[in-house]
Amino acid sequence: DAKTTQPPSMDCAEGRAANLPCNHSTISGNEYVYWYRQIHSQGPQYIIHGLKNNETNEMASLIITEDRKSSTLILPHATLRDTAVYYCIVRVAHTGGFKTIFGAGTRLFVKA
Amino acid sequence: NAGVTQTPKFQVLKTGQSMTLQCAQDMNHEYMSWYRQDPGMGLRLIHYSVGAGITDQGEVPNGYNVSRSTTEDFPLRLLSAAPSQTSVYFCASLPKGPGQGATGANVLTFGAGSRLTVL
Repeated sequence: DAKTTQPPSMDCAEGRAANLPCNHSTISGNEYVYWYRQIHSQGPQYIIHGLKNNETNEMASLIITEDRKSSTLILPHATLRDTAVYYCIVRVAHTGGFKTIFGAGTRLFVKA
Repeated sequence: NAGVTQTPKFQVLKTGQSMTLQCAQDMNHEYMSWYRQDPGMGLRLIHYSVGAGITDQGEVPNGYNVSRSTTEDFPLRLLSAAPSQTSVYFCASLPKGPGQGATGANVLTFGAGSRLTVL
């Protein structure tokens, strides 16, 4: 699995877009980018995933660079409830398995 | 459709006691797994299962046992609890495990967690 690098923390004003970056320079052609978040001590929650194209769902947008070496998760209008730890994971069709897949992530603080 | 259900939510044990954390899913998922999360850290894989009757070790299996007698249930047993096992435990499931023809939409569903304190 490709290694990912995320900033440890970020701040965002309520109502503004939150842009969370993720570097995955060693990603291979068949690896997907997945984003999850963990609010306080709850179980992580799936947000979005993508392979090559940009993706959008009701929660967020995922922008993947053309060379696929980095991506950005966009929360278009952040609310206080979006304060959480966000995890970027790169895997071949997310099959679980032996290795730990959730690292430290990015702690997003949404401020009023 | 309840998703992944974990019980109990909270448990306090004394050193040396045994207990079982329960995990059940109603989504007919092939793959189930247990993670532990210590303060300020990510999730570490304890054990996983790719189907009924099949289990395997993850990154931190020592002190834990699992079994998978049905597709729905995947209990985690602590045989002799130690203070080092104080943690929050999460159960998670995937529609497909390794080698089972997963597509990109194969995403993890987590339970709400079980907070365990060992005194």
